[in-house]
Amino acid sequence: NAGVTQTPKFQVLKTGQSMTLQCAQDMNHEYMSWYRQDPGMGLRLIHYSVGAGITDQGEVPNGYNVSRSTTEDFPLRLLSAAPSQTSVYFCASSYSGTSGSSTQYFGPGTRLTVL
Amino acid sequence: AQSVAQPEDQVNVAEGNPLTVKCTYSVSGNPYLFWYVQYPNRGLQFLLKYITGDNLVKGSYGFEAEFNKSQTSFHLKKPSALVSDSALYFCAVSSDGGATNKLIFGTGTLLAVQP
Repeated sequence: NAGVTQTPKFQVLKTGQSMTLQCAQDMNHEYMSWYRQDPGMGLRLIHYSVGAGITDQGEVPNGYNVSRSTTEDFPLRLLSAAPSQTSVYFCASSYSGTSGSSTQYFGPGTRLTVL
Repeated sequence: AQSVAQPEDQVNVAEGNPLTVKCTYSVSGNPYLFWYVQYPNRGLQFLLKYITGDNLVKGSYGFEAEFNKSQTSFHLKKPSALVSDSALYFCAVSSDGGATNKLIFGTGTLLAVQP
């Protein structure tokens, strides 16, 4: 199994540009999520999905859009990039499991810089 | 609201000495607690979790964590540190008492093990 894969690894955007960060998993996990990691702030949840066709907002959803048309893929769209979105983005997946106890598996991350 | 705190930005320890990385939490309902490790330029890797049962949880790479309900703590420990343990460590708690797999992360503690 490849686990959780993310592309691209690095990206530089100009303010106002849009782009999609790709995330895929081959473990047949129902639950997928996107986090951003900023220095001194840990990881913060952007959006999550509990299954194909079902998404919801996390802690910091503004400026981002998601959809989940298949179990495997969960892309994150930046609608109009801003310098405040410069960050490292991680995708994670897990079984829905019972009572929130499932271990989440993380991708290697995408380092995004917005100029 | 659920929250988790890691009071130390950095912990320094000599190789061979025991190490402790501290974590305290605040939850309503059952606490589902996790420790993850992040090596430079990598994604997060799962170390261990507490769901229920024994207060001492054993995990990967010789790490263990002690759940203390009265002190609302979940400190990560290892009897003998290795230089290769140097990394960023995150404590996390289920954000809604286990209803979903959403996690709230602490700000992280950088562990530096000196040879």
